Amino acid sequence: QKEVEQDPGPLSVPEGAIVSLNCTYSNSAFQYFMWYRQYSRKGPELLMYTYSSGNKEDGRFTAQVDKSSKYISLFIRDSQPSDSATYLCAMSDMGRRALTFGSGTRLQVQP
Amino acid sequence: NAGVTQTPKFQVLKTGQSMTLQCAQDMNHNSMYWYRQDPGMGLRLIYYSASEGTTDKGEVPNGYNVSRLNKREFSLRLESAAPSQTSVYFCASRLDIGGYTFGSGTRLTVV
Repeated sequence: QKEVEQDPGPLSVPEGAIVSLNCTYSNSAFQYFMWYRQYSRKGPELLMYTYSSGNKEDGRFTAQVDKSSKYISLFIRDSQPSDSATYLCAMSDMGRRALTFGSGTRLQVQP
Repeated sequence: NAGVTQTPKFQVLKTGQSMTLQCAQDMNHNSMYWYRQDPGMGLRLIYYSASEGTTDKGEVPNGYNVSRLNKREFSLRLESAAPSQTSVYFCASRLDIGGYTFGSGTRLTVV
């Protein structure tokens, strides 16, 4: 079993929809949680960064962490065709030097 | 500000050939990483360097070697390429605990 599980999709939604992307994990020591966006044939870029549990909002994006359930989510409001990309969750514990990534969810926003 | 620069962007190798992937960052980051990305597998850590002069194995180090030449540069070497090493390789860096900055990737095909 992978340490971080993520549904690969593809997830197809109409423009303007609210999108929910999720990851589950098994390592209770994870404290740092991130979401990356990756466009086709590009490197991942950091979207959201949270520490421990709770919510964080940045524009149309909201990241949620529920450590009791070992579950993290990324919500995208008013989705746009430009949001079409692969979204990767990533996480690490206090001592680990490297991030562990989910396999990514491909999102398509239809105009 | 260039960020993380990877060279080359594309490469085709014959089985058994060797090559070095180059990575340089200009953000004065301490830690640098090499990942490979394969369909359905997400990003898997090959090697990382927490600071200048140190390197450590990641999840999939077999068949690879690395050199942290100085604080800016971290190279990945394939001594005897195999078809299983066909992948997209990403270099990343970060200052301390936090999100990575990724390069744009090297697409490697081994025939």
